[in-house]
Amino acid sequence: DTGVSQDPRHKITKRGQNVTFRCDPISEHNRLYWYRQTLGQGPEFLTYFQNEAQLEKSRLLSDRFSAERPKGSFSTLEIQRTEQGDSAMYLCASSRLEGQFFGPGTRLTVL
Amino acid sequence: AQSVTQLGSHVSVSEGALVLLRCNYSSSVPPYLFWYVQYPNQGLQLLLKYTSAATLVKGINGFEAEFKKSETSFHLTKPSAHMSDAAEYFCAVSNANTDKLIFGTGTRLQVFP
Repeated sequence: DTGVSQDPRHKITKRGQNVTFRCDPISEHNRLYWYRQTLGQGPEFLTYFQNEAQLEKSRLLSDRFSAERPKGSFSTLEIQRTEQGDSAMYLCASSRLEGQFFGPGTRLTVL
Repeated sequence: AQSVTQLGSHVSVSEGALVLLRCNYSSSVPPYLFWYVQYPNQGLQLLLKYTSAATLVKGINGFEAEFKKSETSFHLTKPSAHMSDAAEYFCAVSNANTDKLIFGTGTRLQVFP
């Protein structure tokens, strides 16, 4: 399978814990994006990378959120001191030209 | 600033009937427009995209959409619905200056036999 992959698919954590998600983009894609989707809503943009450079971050992204793409390949999204409001589906997408291709998402539940 | 509005959070059609899902956009620059489909517990799949070429765009699974600048619309249609079309559909906008997608709130399509 040569699509976008995300790991884990599901994560249950207790409030206050840190969590990290991984995204592996399509291999020839130099752009990588993170979105968050809550129930009944469309995805909301969080941040994006071109190669290893983080080019834009949403004002929705608090200081507890950090994303990296160290070698311009896979990316990680870390949430520190999780809160119940962080419960959502976290989606990763990649692209080379127009049109983003999405992974299956990581569903986070914060208890 | 850019935004999209999807009219109708739920649409129900009979199998074989016309599917029409509505999307209106707002953009201060020429928009790029997209339709995505999401099946339960899955990521989003790109159906089609408009990036300033032909105004009638054909996508996968028999779907098409027409860009109408005068109406600021990008409605999604399919002549004959199939049971497998039941899913959530999202319209999204971006432009040449940013890759960030702005999504609508989605329309859930139900198809009855």
